[in-house]
Amino acid sequence: KNEVEQSPQNLTAQEGEFITINCSYSVGISALHWLQQHPGGGIVSLFMLSSGKKKHGRLIATINIQEKHSSLHITASHPRDSAVYICAVIREATGGGADGLTFGKGTHLIIQP
Amino acid sequence: DSGVTQTPKHLITATGQRVTLRCSPRSGDLSVYWYQQSLDQGLQFLIQYYNGEERAKGNILERFSAQQFPDLHSELNLSSLELGDSALYFCASSEQPWLGNTEAFFGQGTRLTVV
Repeated sequence: KNEVEQSPQNLTAQEGEFITINCSYSVGISALHWLQQHPGGGIVSLFMLSSGKKKHGRLIATINIQEKHSSLHITASHPRDSAVYICAVIREATGGGADGLTFGKGTHLIIQP
Repeated sequence: DSGVTQTPKHLITATGQRVTLRCSPRSGDLSVYWYQQSLDQGLQFLIQYYNGEERAKGNILERFSAQQFPDLHSELNLSSLELGDSALYFCASSEQPWLGNTEAFFGQGTRLTVV
């Protein structure tokens, strides 16, 4: 079983809809990152969360550490939001406190006009 | 533009060959991470360098090696290439060595095709 699970795997919605992408993880973490990958392949960091909620424009990310769950919301979705959204975690620090990200498999989002 | 530069963008090579991928981090970032994205495995962490020293290792094969130079650019060397090494290789950088309290900035990736 993957340490980071995302749902849904694929999501198609109409322009203007409210979008929710979920991420659950099974390990203790120090932080969770939400990333966006466009069809060209480049990856952009959207949020880094260790508690609570963050908002940037039409994007909102929340995390519940006790439930080991995070959500990414997109309000007033637009075709340009079409991308793969990837949840990634940094496991709790052990020893030197160094590690790379552990990734979910991504959610492929298509917003139709 | 994240400020992280990877070269080359595309690379096609034959099995058994050796290639070098290059990454220049964002100005001021001391930490560099290498990730591999393949169709079957998804994104995987390979290795991290911080200020010239290896900091953490992930799922990096023995045929692969990396280093970070005094000017902070990094190179990922892949040798004895196999068809299964075909993937997108990403470099990311961060100011701090720990992604538990800092954001990562990703390059555009190098697409490696082994034929």
